[in-house]
Amino acid sequence: DQQVKQNSPSLSVQEGRISILNCDYTNSMFDYFLWYKKYPAEGPTFLISISSIKDKNEDGRFTVFLNKSAKHLSLHIVPSQPGDSAVYFCAASAYKLIFGTGTRLQVFP
Amino acid sequence: DAMVIQNPRYQVTQFGKPVTLSCSQTLNHNVMYWYQQKSSQAPKLLFHYYDKDFNNEADTPDNFQSRRPNTSFCFLDIRSPGLGDAAMYLCATSRGVDSSNQPQHFGDGTRLSIL
Repeated sequence: DQQVKQNSPSLSVQEGRISILNCDYTNSMFDYFLWYKKYPAEGPTFLISISSIKDKNEDGRFTVFLNKSAKHLSLHIVPSQPGDSAVYFCAASAYKLIFGTGTRLQVFP
Repeated sequence: DAMVIQNPRYQVTQFGKPVTLSCSQTLNHNVMYWYQQKSSQAPKLLFHYYDKDFNNEADTPDNFQSRRPNTSFCFLDIRSPGLGDAAMYLCATSRGVDSSNQPQHFGDGTRLSIL
């Protein structure tokens, strides 16, 4: 049973536009959510996080939104840049991290 | 400036031949984790150490063992690798186990192939 789901394996966005990556979860005990970014041949790097008591967290071009009633979170990247092309993992925490399968984002000129 | 270093980056071993993967950290973090990631799947936690305390996930096969001789190093031992153990193995560290203000730092992984 997959507790954290990223249903879009890939996303293609034009440079300058908004990228929206989605994540759904099933366990209401999760109290913290994180996004990691992974370039090829590198390990995941922490990008941004949000506590379950908040509904929005912003860091520069990156904003994470949390909808607890829908058990859904999203990562918005505005404006998207070619360097943002990577695999993005959503992760949820209740003592340990549970990862989604990732979404590959490609930002084209 | 790599802070979590995994060696080797690529490892090939024979079916049933024991193999050890290495992880070292310069962050002086208390917690070290080992994840297994198969193609197109989510990273899956195998076990973690909080200092010297070993915490095994319930569904981690007995074939997988770990050692942490000191704060800086942690090893993943696969006693008798099977074809299904071919995967990327990721090591991560964190200051504590509370993810709310202590995100995990990952190494670049070791890709294990089984012949």
